[in-house]
Amino acid sequence: DAKTTQPTSMDCAEGRAANLPCNHSTISGNEYVYWYRQIHSQGPQYIIHGLKNNETNEMASLIITEDRKSSTLILPHATLRDTAVYYCIAHTGTASKLTFGTGTRLQVTL
Amino acid sequence: NAGVTQTPKFRILKIGQSMTLQCTQDMNHNYMYWYRQDPGMGLKLIYYSVGAGITDKGEVPNGYNVSRSTTEDFPLRLELAAPSQTSVYFCASSTRGTNQPQHFGDGTRLSIL
Repeated sequence: DAKTTQPTSMDCAEGRAANLPCNHSTISGNEYVYWYRQIHSQGPQYIIHGLKNNETNEMASLIITEDRKSSTLILPHATLRDTAVYYCIAHTGTASKLTFGTGTRLQVTL
Repeated sequence: NAGVTQTPKFRILKIGQSMTLQCTQDMNHNYMYWYRQDPGMGLKLIYYSVGAGITDKGEVPNGYNVSRSTTEDFPLRLELAAPSQTSVYFCASSTRGTNQPQHFGDGTRLSIL
């Protein structure tokens, strides 16, 4: 899997949009960008993934640059329950390990 | 919607004891995985399976064994527990093919004393 780089931590006010960036400059053509989060003491939770087009689901939006070297996860209206560590992972989506780096610790505050 | 279920949630073992961590999924997923997560670290793959009767080693398989006799179940066995195996263990599953996310259970917290 291609290496990804994320900021160590971010803060966001409740109700505002949280924009979490990720760099993946060495991503290969068959690797998708996946986002997971891990709320304290729980298992990783799948959020969204994409290849080259922007994606949106009930949880978040994913914006991928045209050159695919970076992406941004957007939580449109962050709540306190969105406080978690967010992981950006480049992966082919086949039966192989997911490489979880250190992720971004998002703190949502009142 | 149960998803991936792991039991037990917590366990304390003595050095040298053995135990089996249970994992079952009700999504009819072909692929299943076992990861461990040490404090402050990312997840490391222990073993995975692409279907009943087929298993393969991940990054850190030493000290563990697995079997996959059914699509639903993927138990992980520790034969001789060691303090280095103190960790949180996560089971995950995904459906066949590319472009498929893995879905995780809530983990088993294991302490070896």
